[in-house]
Amino acid sequence: DSGVTQTPKHLITATGQRVTLRCSPRSGDLSVYWYQQSLDQGLQFLIQYYNGEERAKGNILERFSAQQFPDLHSELNLSSLELGDSALYFCASSVGLAGNSYEQYFGPGTRLTVT
Amino acid sequence: DQQVKQNSPSLSVQEGRISILNCDYTNSMFDYFLWYKKYPAEGPTFLISISSIKDKNEDGRFTVFLNKSAKHLSLHIVPSQPGDSAVYFCAARSSRGAQKLVFGQGTRLTINP
Repeated sequence: DSGVTQTPKHLITATGQRVTLRCSPRSGDLSVYWYQQSLDQGLQFLIQYYNGEERAKGNILERFSAQQFPDLHSELNLSSLELGDSALYFCASSVGLAGNSYEQYFGPGTRLTVT
Repeated sequence: DQQVKQNSPSLSVQEGRISILNCDYTNSMFDYFLWYKKYPAEGPTFLISISSIKDKNEDGRFTVFLNKSAKHLSLHIVPSQPGDSAVYFCAARSSRGAQKLVFGQGTRLTINP
């Protein structure tokens, strides 16, 4: 158990809909990262938040957005869903920004299926 | 643009023998490298890491070797155990700029009894 929690575990929705994925980081971790893993793909970085502020963006679609709240939990919002958005979405957390020792710890993921 | 590559999608090793998983990278800015292990229906689990100032890091049965000139790293597992069967991801990051991890495609390791 990494200490990172994600809800829901599974989500099935239709094209055009909007969903919200939730992540609670490990106690004490200020950074939250979102990754997408499509079928047979590696993990692709989407976005990072540190202490409530956006710090880095990866290949995140404009239809996707995220935020980190004062209690440090984060939400990833996916809108106008398409079939190709079906994937595993992982949240990870780490202590902070600087240094080489801040390994990222991953949650169990949310499996999104768009039909 | 695949900055981190794991060229072997799968590897099969006999129990008790050494497993060697390989990873290549192209970005010279990467200075920290990590290996993650992933079981089905679970998130990746951090296994071992190495800074670019070192060429070897060992933790129990797991050793990571870094060859900066070749931009290559490898994970050695010895002796291999059935519980080691999983997908292994190599990841890299730069201490400058974004703290994101760049992952390889993964290698599925199967340990045969």
